[in-house]
Amino acid sequence: AQSVTQLDSQVPVFEEAPVELRCNYSSSVSVYLFWYVQYPNQGLQLLLKYLSGSTLVESINGFEAEFNKSQTSFHLRKPSVHISDTAEYFCAVSARNSGYSTLTFGKGTMLLVSP
Amino acid sequence: DAMVIQNPRYQVTQFGKPVTLSCSQTLNHNVMYWYQQKSSQAPKLLFHYYDKDFNNEADTPDNFQSRRPNTSFCFLDIRSPGLGDAAMYLCATSRDITGGETQYFGPGTRLLVL
Repeated sequence: AQSVTQLDSQVPVFEEAPVELRCNYSSSVSVYLFWYVQYPNQGLQLLLKYLSGSTLVESINGFEAEFNKSQTSFHLRKPSVHISDTAEYFCAVSARNSGYSTLTFGKGTMLLVSP
Repeated sequence: DAMVIQNPRYQVTQFGKPVTLSCSQTLNHNVMYWYQQKSSQAPKLLFHYYDKDFNNEADTPDNFQSRRPNTSFCFLDIRSPGLGDAAMYLCATSRDITGGETQYFGPGTRLLVL
């Protein structure tokens, strides 16, 4: 079984400032890692995911996350946030090397960007 | 655009009165999921269908059931809603059930139980 911990329920930040949203996971097997974003009144949508290869993955809108196996972390970062990045961000894991795997989500971190 | 659609967006029901939530998809994905999301909590998987095969999570209450009459549609039935069932219900789809697959979510239906 897997579990995901998002340490911050809310992260307030000013526009153009850098931000890091923290995610740690626990699993007895190797995992795939995801970040989903939920904008107000919308469904969750994939932001980025780590499957294999380079431990640093990037999204099209400037976010990046780094898989750190030794620290069991997958923190999300952006060097300069915009007002439009205000949303809830969910970290999730699924088991690797399994013919059947579903997502386990963290509780989410609300990113609040103000002018 | 290919998408996941949930109707209605808001549903009010009475304590103990059966309610059905609907989900449809135009992605032609094999897998459809239902999640329950309560305030400040992680989305919790209730069950999923891989094609016609139904898979119930071990801790999903018997009060919750699902139907998938065809590839495009999936329904969540709550037989006797209690106050504790008030939540956002999310439908999602994926091409396959193997780890690493991206899930595509609908906007959710917020259920209020009076």
